[in-house]
Amino acid sequence: KQEVTQIPAALSVPEGENLVLNCSFTDSAIYNLQWFRQDPGKGLTSLLLIQSSQREQTSGRLNASLDKSSGRSTLYIAASQPGDSATYLCAVPSGGSYIPTFGRGTSLIVHP
Amino acid sequence: NAGVTQTPKFQVLKTGQSMTLQCAQDMNHNSMYWYRQDPGMGLRLIYYSASEGTTDKGEVPNGYNVSRLNKREFSLRLESAAPSQTSVYFCASSDRGRETQYFGPGTRLLVL
Repeated sequence: KQEVTQIPAALSVPEGENLVLNCSFTDSAIYNLQWFRQDPGKGLTSLLLIQSSQREQTSGRLNASLDKSSGRSTLYIAASQPGDSATYLCAVPSGGSYIPTFGRGTSLIVHP
Repeated sequence: NAGVTQTPKFQVLKTGQSMTLQCAQDMNHNSMYWYRQDPGMGLRLIYYSASEGTTDKGEVPNGYNVSRLNKREFSLRLESAAPSQTSVYFCASSDRGRETQYFGPGTRLLVL
């Protein structure tokens, strides 16, 4: 069974900092990996989807990397803003399945 | 284009009551999912439907039933609600099961 761990569980940074969120998983036979954002009281919004054949994906100030062999992914947020405050979740399918297992998320606060 | 919609947004039930949570998507997706989200437990899969006419159990199916009514709609039924089913329920959909998941806004359920 896939196990997904996200570190740190919580993070508080001043506006403008570059930051890295980490996701590790135990089963590296995966089809893809997704990063989501969840605002308080809201549903999840997909940020980036990395296919197993890719090493990274970029969207605006966000960059996600994938290292299947080591079972790790990172989400890099450049020049953080207060509007980036949210919980970020990593989702990884188990080997041979497309059903994702979710990490417990990193709660990010960016203060002005 | 509404994406994934869920009804109701909030519900309070008494122990033993039944109810159905409704989910619909307008993106012509084949796969649909029901998750529950609890503090400290993350998102856990209850049931999923890979395609119209099929449903399968997820990680925590006990106490729930589902119906894939057609390609658009996937409902979750609690036959006899218990306090342990107090949670936030999310419906999601994806195309071909391997691509980005799109989430609804959630249903907040309190069972007294």
